[in-house]
Amino acid sequence: DAGVTQSPTHLIKTRGQHVTLRCSPISGHKSVSWYQQVLGQGPQFIFQYYEKEERGRGNFPDRFSARQFPNYSSELNVNALLLGDSALYLCASSFNRGGEQFFGPGTRLTVL
Amino acid sequence: KNEVEQSPQNLTAQEGEFITINCSYSVGISALHWLQQHPGGGIVSLFMLSSGKKKHGRLIATINIQEKHSSLHITASHPRDSAVYICAVRSNYGGSQGNLIFGKGTKLSVKP
Repeated sequence: DAGVTQSPTHLIKTRGQHVTLRCSPISGHKSVSWYQQVLGQGPQFIFQYYEKEERGRGNFPDRFSARQFPNYSSELNVNALLLGDSALYLCASSFNRGGEQFFGPGTRLTVL
Repeated sequence: KNEVEQSPQNLTAQEGEFITINCSYSVGISALHWLQQHPGGGIVSLFMLSSGKKKHGRLIATINIQEKHSSLHITASHPRDSAVYICAVRSNYGGSQGNLIFGKGTKLSVKP
């Protein structure tokens, strides 16, 4: 059975651009969470989606948005990219909101 | 003060040594996770626990809910154990319910 998958693996953008990151959860998992991990720090919670609805949001600006599709895959969108958005973006899926989370390999975003 | 504190930040050990990594937290939780992150970013879930002790191979995790403290032990350490070990707690309050709050991680290097 496939684990959590994320695409792309790496991405380079310039300031002001927009980026879309994608995540496919483990089959049967209905919850997807997004995290940002800046170099040398632990991950920070961005969003949680469960049954296609936003169920939690971390302390991130409105430039960050996400959605979950009927097949439970998810997209994270970041507008007007800043240098400080350079990070590893991790997606994790779980069967329900409180279940054990399984992480994808991450998307490494570099903003120049 | 961070809600999840880990110690030490960095740890170097000789192969075969017994290793302990500590985690203290200041929020109400429903569960605590120990995660392993290798260079390149992928995160693997080692344990999820809400009370007592769990063992898997050479890894042991304990939690003391009253003292808001958890420890991860590695017996007979091996160079392949070299990684960043992250403690994360699942909060049980308000809109953040179900989300993970991470420590900054402990970088372990085991020398042969």
